[in-house]
Amino acid sequence: NAGVTQTPKFQVLKTGQSMTLQCAQDMNHEYMSWYRQDPGMGLRLIHYSVGAGITDQGEVPNGYNVSRSTTEDFPLRLLSAAPSQTSVYFCASSSQGQGEQYFGPGTRLTVT
Amino acid sequence: RKEVEQDPGPFNVPEGATVAFNCTYSNSASQSFFWYRQDCRKEPKLLMSVYSSGNEDGRFTAQLNRASQYISLLIRDSKLSDSATYLCVVSGGFKTIFGAGTRLFVKA
Repeated sequence: NAGVTQTPKFQVLKTGQSMTLQCAQDMNHEYMSWYRQDPGMGLRLIHYSVGAGITDQGEVPNGYNVSRSTTEDFPLRLLSAAPSQTSVYFCASSSQGQGEQYFGPGTRLTVT
Repeated sequence: RKEVEQDPGPFNVPEGATVAFNCTYSNSASQSFFWYRQDCRKEPKLLMSVYSSGNEDGRFTAQLNRASQYISLLIRDSKLSDSATYLCVVSGGFKTIFGAGTRLFVKA
């Protein structure tokens, strides 16, 4: 099994550009989440989903959109990139809301 | 106040040493507790779950004190390969909060 996959691994954007970070899992997990990790701040939850068609906001949702049309995929869209969105983005999935989370390898995003 | 607080370290210890990390959390309704390990520039991976009765996995022992709202991780006989950042994680409902992590360096 591939587990959780994320693409791209690295991305540089200019301020104002939009893009989609892809996330897919092949473990049939209902729960999927997007986090960003910044130095000294730990992982912060951006958006999460408890199943196909259901999404909700996390701690830092502004500037990001998500959708969950299938169990496997949970893309994260940056609407208009800003330098404050420079970060490492991790996608995670879990079979239970409070259980072990499996993380993808991350996407390192730089916004100039 | 952060919902989950950890000493960022770094902890610098020699091989074979015993080292302990603590973590405090603010939400008394939290239900699940974990320690994750994160290597440099890699994704976090589950090290162990933490139970009220305490649990052990080889050289690693985790404890939960609900009354004082803290979690601990003890590493015995430290190895060079234990060098990493250790993340304290607290979960309740659909909300999972990660601590900022404690850096550990084990030196020969």
